[in-house]
Amino acid sequence: GAGVSQSPSNKVTEKGKDVELRCDPISGHTALYWYRQSLGQGLEFLIYFQGNSAPDKSGLPSDRFSAERTGGSVSTLTIQRTQQEDSAVYLCASSFGGPGGQPQHFGDGTRLSIL
Amino acid sequence: AQKVTQAQTEISVVEKEDVTLDCVYETRDTTYYLFWYKQPPSGELVFLIRRNSFDEQNEISGRYSWNFQKSTSSFNFTITASQVVDSAVYFCALSVTGNQFYFGTGTSLTVIP
Repeated sequence: GAGVSQSPSNKVTEKGKDVELRCDPISGHTALYWYRQSLGQGLEFLIYFQGNSAPDKSGLPSDRFSAERTGGSVSTLTIQRTQQEDSAVYLCASSFGGPGGQPQHFGDGTRLSIL
Repeated sequence: AQKVTQAQTEISVVEKEDVTLDCVYETRDTTYYLFWYKQPPSGELVFLIRRNSFDEQNEISGRYSWNFQKSTSSFNFTITASQVVDSAVYFCALSVTGNQFYFGTGTSLTVIP
């Protein structure tokens, strides 16, 4: 498809388990972002990838969170030893990189529920 | 530090009324970009508009208009003759390096038929 694709769309898991969330950005977009949106809240920045540069991890809430982007395209967000407070919608966005404040294009998100 | 404030958490209007969503931003950078996104009940954020800091000209697109005022660090969004389909959460965002984004907490708009 032409848009940002995220999978799975929903994930329910038990506390303490690890989860992996996947994001396929729009082809040609060099910038990729992960956000977390808790119920009724705004978007919380997690991590940002731009081309081959070192990612900006300043938004990751703890060392249980990590992300990688392989081949400058697909990205995986991993949460280890999940906690109930990790329950949220995780949004991925991509954009053309470089200066100019390029608008981000968002996926539908992964709704993560920790039991 | 960068910050975006959307003081209005929830707004309800009756269909056909005009409504203005407020956005106030903070940055010390002279080059920055401001955005509005719409998040309908279906969940996917939709890009609406981008303005750069050097262009204060207001913009109108159909029933939507945006008022950018650097003097008050505001980038307000007005919907004229609101419709039920306008019901959504609207986010204002700021980008200062061209890549890092800062989002407000959003304003939930309900248009009552």
